[in-house]
Amino acid sequence: KAGVTQTPRYLIKTRGQQVTLSCSPISGHRSVSWYQQTPGQGLQFLFEYFSETQRNKGNFPGRFSGRQFSNSRSEMNVSTLELGDSALYLCASSLWEGTSYEQYFGPGTRLTVT
Amino acid sequence: AQTVTQSQPEMSVQEAETVTLSCTYDTSESDYYLFWYKQPPSRQMILVIRQEAYKQQNATENRFSVNFQKAAKSFSLKISDSQLGDAAMYFCAYRSVAGANNLFFGTGTRLTVIP
Repeated sequence: KAGVTQTPRYLIKTRGQQVTLSCSPISGHRSVSWYQQTPGQGLQFLFEYFSETQRNKGNFPGRFSGRQFSNSRSEMNVSTLELGDSALYLCASSLWEGTSYEQYFGPGTRLTVT
Repeated sequence: AQTVTQSQPEMSVQEAETVTLSCTYDTSESDYYLFWYKQPPSRQMILVIRQEAYKQQNATENRFSVNFQKAAKSFSLKISDSQLGDAAMYFCAYRSVAGANNLFFGTGTRLTVIP
């Protein structure tokens, strides 16, 4: 079974632009979570989606948003990019909502903001 | 909020030897999950081992085992017979049972395996 895929793998954007990252979960998985990884702040939870609904949101400004489609694929969007948004963005999928299900991570998208 | 602390930014081990990575956490919850994830240079986060707080028995996965001390809120990872492929960042993580589904991560320990 194919793992979690994220596209693109690398991205360079300019401050003030917006960016959209994509995540395709493992086939059959319905829950998708997003995390931001930076050297300074470590790994931080962004949001979780299940059945096209945001179930949980971390402490990030409104510039960070996401959505999930009926096929469980998810996108996250960052508007008005800032230098501090440079990070590795990780997506994780799990079979169902609820904490008893394992999260499987994708390879991440490396975003660089210049 | 739950916090996870990894006090060892870097560790090294000789190939074939044993190493223990430390993790402590703070929570007021009685039921939760604890995890160790491995992140090699490829950056893909891989689940190493999982422990349910209600289980007294320490989890074991091949060469990886944990020492879970619930009262002390301690969750260390022991890697036996270390191999070159074990070199990576290791993250300790916490997740509620009753609450939200997100993981709370520690700051990580970089493990170097010396041939």
